[in-house]
Amino acid sequence: DSGVTQTPKHLITATGQRVTLRCSPRSGDLSVYWYQQSLDQGLQFLIQYYNGEERAKGNILERFSAQQFPDLHSELNLSSLELGDSALYFCASSPGLEKGNTIYFGEGSWLTVV
Amino acid sequence: AQTVTQSQPEMSVQEAETVTLSCTYDTSESDYYLFWYKQPPSRQMILVIRQEAYKQQNATENRFSVNFQKAAKSFSLKISDSQLGDAAMYFCAYRSRDSNYQLIWGAGTKLIIKP
Repeated sequence: DSGVTQTPKHLITATGQRVTLRCSPRSGDLSVYWYQQSLDQGLQFLIQYYNGEERAKGNILERFSAQQFPDLHSELNLSSLELGDSALYFCASSPGLEKGNTIYFGEGSWLTVV
Repeated sequence: AQTVTQSQPEMSVQEAETVTLSCTYDTSESDYYLFWYKQPPSRQMILVIRQEAYKQQNATENRFSVNFQKAAKSFSLKISDSQLGDAAMYFCAYRSRDSNYQLIWGAGTKLIIKP
């Protein structure tokens, strides 16, 4: 158990809909990361937050947005969903901005768009 | 830009034997971090081992050890006494010392354990 909690674990929704994925980082971790892993592919970095502020943005679509709240939990919002958005979405956390902090992953949220 | 290459899409090993997974990387930096992550069928991403480039000593974690060859930019993972539970995709990842977010990932190696 990495200590990173993600909900829901599984989600099935229709095209055009909007969903929210939730993440609670490990206790004490200030940085939260979101990754997307499509079937049989590697991880794609989406976005990072540190202590409530956006720190880095990767290959995140404009239809997607995220935020980190004062209690440090984070949400990833996916809107106008398309079939191609079906993937495993990982949240990860690390202690802070110290270089080389190990990133610990949650169990992922499976999103299926039908 | 940094790249990570795992040249073995799939490896198989007999239970209780030793297997080595290869990883090479390309970087112009001198200080960085390397990781091996394991992704079993459950798809959870689990940290296996971490190596800091400025450390000469190879990292070990129980049955898992690495052979870090900085000059050759090689970072292989050795699994000793392979167990059925080791069956998974194994990803090698690179992280720049100057980056606090970006993990550069290899394509992964699928490890099959034969009983």
